[in-house]
Formats: sequence, structure tokens, C-alpha cells
Amino acid sequence: GQNIDQPTEMTATEGAIVQINCTYQTSGFNGLFWYQQHAGEAPTFLSYNVLDGLEEKGRFSSFLSRSKGYSYLLLKELQMKDSASYLCAVIDSNYQLIWGAGTKLIIKP
Amino acid sequence: IAGITQAPTSQILAAGRRMTLRCTQDMRHNAMYWYRQDLGLGLRLIHYSNTAGTTGKGEVPDGYSVSRANTDDFPLTLASAVPSQTSVYFCASSAGRTSSNEQFFGPGTRLTVL
Repeated sequence: GQNIDQPTEMTATEGAIVQINCTYQTSGFNGLFWYQQHAGEAPTFLSYNVLDGLEEKGRFSSFLSRSKGYSYLLLKELQMKDSASYLCAVIDSNYQLIWGAGTKLIIKP
Repeated sequence: IAGITQAPTSQILAAGRRMTLRCTQDMRHNAMYWYRQDLGLGLRLIHYSNTAGTTGKGEVPDGYSVSRANTDDFPLTLASAVPSQTSVYFCASSAGRTSSNEQFFGPGTRLTVL
């Protein structure tokens, strides 16, 4: 079966750095997305990786290792507004998006 | 309209009733999707449409039907609602169903079936 694993919840301090990991086992791979979802709101796009390596976008970076079936989202200079769930999603061989359950990130002052 | 909209925002429904959730996008996207999101679970695809006039089944299609008469609208119908269909429903769209096309989500419909 297809599976995406993420930690259920993480806690970090304002101003710090946090890394949210995602491991996947899917039938094929055509890319990986990270989305942010604030409580009660819709998911919004953060990043897309299809090749190995690091993609940096401001305070957020996303890394991919296809051979290891592994990605992480790195958030720097954490702000209170970064408190949200972070969803990892993999595009399988049928171009269907397989979603992880999400990691709830709690930022403390 | 800017982006993708859904209606209603929330609904309480008696079991056995028929319900249609509406979804409209103004981005001229070819692909549209319906997901349900339940606590502790990832988004699960109910149905999708690659382009107007075509639809396909996702991971959890039972009890739901969709239609795609035009590019903009993609309604989801529950023919006879059951309590297990209590969930938050998100409609999404993307330019196409290939790899790099990010999905844009509507604000969601919170449905409670009693």
C-alpha cells in the first residue's frame, strides 16, 4: 500500500528553527508537495520538489532524497503565525496526490 | 469571484437526506478535485475531473457522485447521507493533473450528518 509518515505534533520556540520530516512509500514518484494549513482554513501551497536537493524560499526550505523516500521542511526564524499543520503529499505513478496526515506545529513564545 | 469558492460553509443534515455541495473556480483550471478531511487522517480524494465532461473515482468514492458539465463548476452530491460522511469537504483545482501543478483549495464545507 501507499504510505506517507509525518510526526503528529511538534513544538518549537519563536525565533528558532524547526525541521518537519516526511517519509513515503508510494507506487512511483512524480514529485512532492508541502502545504500549510491553519486551523479551520484550507491548505495553501508552500513548496514542490521533484529532484533531489534543497529548494529555498525565504524562511522556508524543502529537501528531497528520492533514493531514501524522504523529505523535510525547514522553517527558520519561527513566528507565531507559523503555528499550523504542515502537510506532505506525494504524486504517485498515476499522478494521484497521496497525502500525509499532517504535522501540527505549535510555536511557543 | 476570486479563486475557488464553496457553498455552503457549513451544514447540518439528517441521515438519509440528499445534499449537494457546490464548488466554483474562475481560474480556468482543467482539473478539479473533491477531498474529505477527517481528524488524524490525511486528505482523502473522493472524486476528480481531469477536464470538463470527464470524472474519475478517487480513494473513497462510495456514497458520493460528481458531475463536470463545464470548466468552472464541480458539484459533489451525497445521494443519501450517513453519519460516517460527517467531515470537512474541500474542493480543489489545478491547471492540469500532471506533476508540478499545485492544487488550489476552496475554503471548505463542514458537514454534520445526524
